[in-house]
Amino acid sequence: GAVVSQHPSWVICKSGTSVKIECRSLDFQATTMFWYRQFPKQSLMLMATSNEGSKATYEQGVEKDKFLINHASLTLSTLTVTSAHPEDSSFYICSAGGETGVTGELFFGEGSRLTVL
Amino acid sequence: GENVEQHPSTLSVQEGDSAVIKCTYSDSASNYFPWYKQELGKRPQLIIDIRSNVGEKKDQRIAVTLNKTAKHFSLHITETQPEDSAVYFCAAKGGGFKTIFGAGTRLFVKA
Repeated sequence: GAVVSQHPSWVICKSGTSVKIECRSLDFQATTMFWYRQFPKQSLMLMATSNEGSKATYEQGVEKDKFLINHASLTLSTLTVTSAHPEDSSFYICSAGGETGVTGELFFGEGSRLTVL
Repeated sequence: GENVEQHPSTLSVQEGDSAVIKCTYSDSASNYFPWYKQELGKRPQLIIDIRSNVGEKKDQRIAVTLNKTAKHFSLHITETQPEDSAVYFCAAKGGGFKTIFGAGTRLFVKA
């Protein structure tokens, strides 16, 4: 299957700082990537759909000014958590694929565990 | 919006027994139903999937069934093994690009 790489795998930051997470599709071009958030023992909640060359589409209840998404190329999408607070601590995971096509399968990055002190 | 419900939230079985996890979806336009296995701290891994034009699919000890009329789909694991212990998520992909996940089922297989 396709490979999606995410970096960093874990990050600890102080409250009020910003953190950037990168998601790369290594062996295919992804016009669309998806960002999910997963709290401990909970499901994957879709935050936003990242579209190459255009604005991201955010799910209801997700603050677009707090979670900045940039998809400047066909292989890279970034999520920046701005002015992070302890309640933003979570496992953030990106995925690519799932577009119209044969399988619709999503390929996930390794995930990034964010801890805000 | 789209919604996927999953039951049970926790399932404990004896090694060798079968495990069944059930999901329902709300979007009648959903056409792709994957199942993912997630181990602690790791990314979800696709274990089986089914498309809306198929009623059943099997891969060794794992099978999935789909009832489009009732908007139900289920995962069946036979001859469970301790290494099957993990969290399992069902998901549904609708007419757009979004894949919506169920709440997850924590499966414990006791040796």
